[in-house]
Amino acid sequence: AQSVTQLDSHVSVSEGTPVLLRCNYSSSYSPSLFWYVQHPNKGLQLLLKYTSAATLVKGINGFEAEFKKSETSFHLTKPSAHMSDAAEYFCVVIVTSGTYKYIFGTGTRLKVLA
Amino acid sequence: SQTIHQWPATLVQPVGSPLSLECTVEGTSNPNLYWYRQAAGRGLQLLFYSVGIGQISSEVPQNLSASRPQDRQFILSSKKLLLSDSGFYLCAWRLGRRSYNEQFFGPGTRLTVL
Repeated sequence: AQSVTQLDSHVSVSEGTPVLLRCNYSSSYSPSLFWYVQHPNKGLQLLLKYTSAATLVKGINGFEAEFKKSETSFHLTKPSAHMSDAAEYFCVVIVTSGTYKYIFGTGTRLKVLA
Repeated sequence: SQTIHQWPATLVQPVGSPLSLECTVEGTSNPNLYWYRQAAGRGLQLLFYSVGIGQISSEVPQNLSASRPQDRQFILSSKKLLLSDSGFYLCAWRLGRRSYNEQFFGPGTRLTVL
C-alpha cells in the first residue's frame, strides 16, 4: 500500500533563508508524487509533480523537489523564502490500483518570519 | 479553461439539520470528481469519489452521502448533521486514467455545526 509521511508538522524560517519541507513515501511501484500548497481558507494549488521523468522537478514560485528512490524521499525546497510562502504544504502519493486516488500527508505548516 | 465552483462558501448549521453542498465543474467533460474533508489541524480525508453519472464510491462510513445527478455536478448531503461534521469541505476534479494527471481543487466550503 502507498503512503506518505511528512516529517514536520510546523516549520519556521526567516524571510530570505532556504526552505526545506520533508516528505517520505512508501510505494510498491514507481510512484507519482505531488506537492500542493494551501493558503488559509483556500483550496489547494499544485506546486509540482514527479511522474518518473526527471528526478529534480521544478514547480511554481521557485519551489523544486528531488525524487530520491534510495531514500524514498521527495523533499520540497526553495532557496529563499518569501512572506507569501507562508501556508500549509501537502505531499501526495497517487494510488495506482486503477482509481488514481490521492493519499495525502498530514501537512506541514510553513511560517515565514520577517 | 476549466473552472470549479463550490457553494456556499461558509455555512453554520445546527446539529440534526440537513446539509447540501454543491460542486460544479465547467469547461470539461467526464471528469472524475472527489469530495474531501479537512478537519482543523489535520490533513485531507477522501470522503467520496465518482467516475461517472450515478457512480459513487464511499471511502469512509458516516452519515454523509454523495450524488452525481449530472456529468459535472457533485453534491454532498446529510440528513442529520453531527458536531463532528464540522470542517472544510473541498471538491476536486481530474481527467483521464493517467496517474500523473493532477486533481484540481475548488475553493472549499467552511461548515460549522453548532
